[in-house]
Amino acid sequence: ETGVTQSPTHLIKTRGQQVTLRCSSQSGHNTVSWYQQALGQGPQFIFQYYREEENGRGNFPPRFSGLQFPNYSSELNVNALELDDSALYLCASSGVRRETQYFGPGTRLLVL
Amino acid sequence: EDQVTQSPEALRLQEGESSSLNCSYTVSGLRGLFWYRQDPGKGPEFLFTLYSAGEEKEKERLKATLTKKESFLHITAPKPEDSATYLCAVSDNNNDMRFGAGTRLTVKP
Repeated sequence: ETGVTQSPTHLIKTRGQQVTLRCSSQSGHNTVSWYQQALGQGPQFIFQYYREEENGRGNFPPRFSGLQFPNYSSELNVNALELDDSALYLCASSGVRRETQYFGPGTRLLVL
Repeated sequence: EDQVTQSPEALRLQEGESSSLNCSYTVSGLRGLFWYRQDPGKGPEFLFTLYSAGEEKEKERLKATLTKKESFLHITAPKPEDSATYLCAVSDNNNDMRFGAGTRLTVKP
């Protein structure tokens, strides 16, 4: 059984650019959630996808968008990057007990 | 709005010195309370899910308990490898997962 994987591990972008982060869920899991974690803070919920539909969203602007594919992998897209978007972006997947989530290693994004 | 507050922010223990971490929460419709361990630069590692007041779960040196307003993570005879940030989170009926800021635990040999 493979765990949650994320790519890339690190990324550097400049302000105003767009970025796509990718996540492969744990085998057998059909729900994917995305989080933003600033240094020294707990993760903040961005949104959740269940069977390719958005199933909940946190307090993030529309320039944060996502997709879930038929194989339950997922993408997080961020448009018009701002300096404050620099953070660790975490993906988590869950299965039958959707509230229990298993996290990937994260993608560290730096916006200059 | 759901809120999660963890205390203390940081805790330094000697190896073998037992202690407890606190997580206070307010949530509309608790679906679950979660404890995670996070090492620097890595994703959170799942430890426990608690669903109702009075529930307890144990794993090695860790024991998590839950009341209607707070949860405790008890660490018995900790070792240096237990050093990490411990995160508490709650999930509500809107599929929103709210995390606390974490407790940074350091265990000295």
